[in-house]
Amino acid sequence: EAGVTQFPSHSVIEKGQTVTLRCDPISGHDNLYWYRRVMGKEIKFLLHFVKESKQDESGMPNNRFLAERTGGTYSTLKVQPAELEDSGVYFCASSQASSGNTIYFGEGSWLTVV
Amino acid sequence: GDSVTQMEGPVTLSEEAFLTINCTYTATGYPSLFWYVQYPGEGLQLLLKATKADDKGSNKGFEATYRKETTSFHLEKGSVQVSDSAVYFCALKRGGGTASKLTFGTGTRLQVTL
Repeated sequence: EAGVTQFPSHSVIEKGQTVTLRCDPISGHDNLYWYRRVMGKEIKFLLHFVKESKQDESGMPNNRFLAERTGGTYSTLKVQPAELEDSGVYFCASSQASSGNTIYFGEGSWLTVV
Repeated sequence: GDSVTQMEGPVTLSEEAFLTINCTYTATGYPSLFWYVQYPGEGLQLLLKATKADDKGSNKGFEATYRKETTSFHLEKGSVQVSDSAVYFCALKRGGGTASKLTFGTGTRLQVTL
């Protein structure tokens, strides 16, 4: 069974440009999460989808970040326009519907804004 | 709000040494507790978990016991190997719905040398 897959694995963009990160969760997982780790700090929650609905987006830093999950399958996270402080690792994770289930993470998308 | 505090790293040990990485938490209710590990160039992997007080999670020789009285979940291994070199993250999760997100500590880098 395939795990959580993320694309691209690495991205270097200039300040002011746009980047779109994609996440394919494990098949059948209704819950999809985005997290971010910036400059060796803690991994911070960004948002949580249940199927195609945003359950909790309290961690989204500002309106330059837009997450979508059309159809309740894969998700995208767009940063527009990117700023230097957006550099970091963006992790996607998924889990099954029950609240007790383990959350599985992808390998992360490493974003560098120069 | 919820928070997780981990000991500062990096931790450098010789092979076969005993490992302890301290983790304490602050949360309402009865959270589940986790240790995730990130090996170099890889994503986050669940190492072990405990869902209620006095539970012991274990995997790959690592152990951690959920201590509600001290709000701690310290990670231990009796004899580390070079292959254990990685970043270790302690995390908690309070439940379902909007509380189902993970709250992470800052991570502790472990370097094991021959």
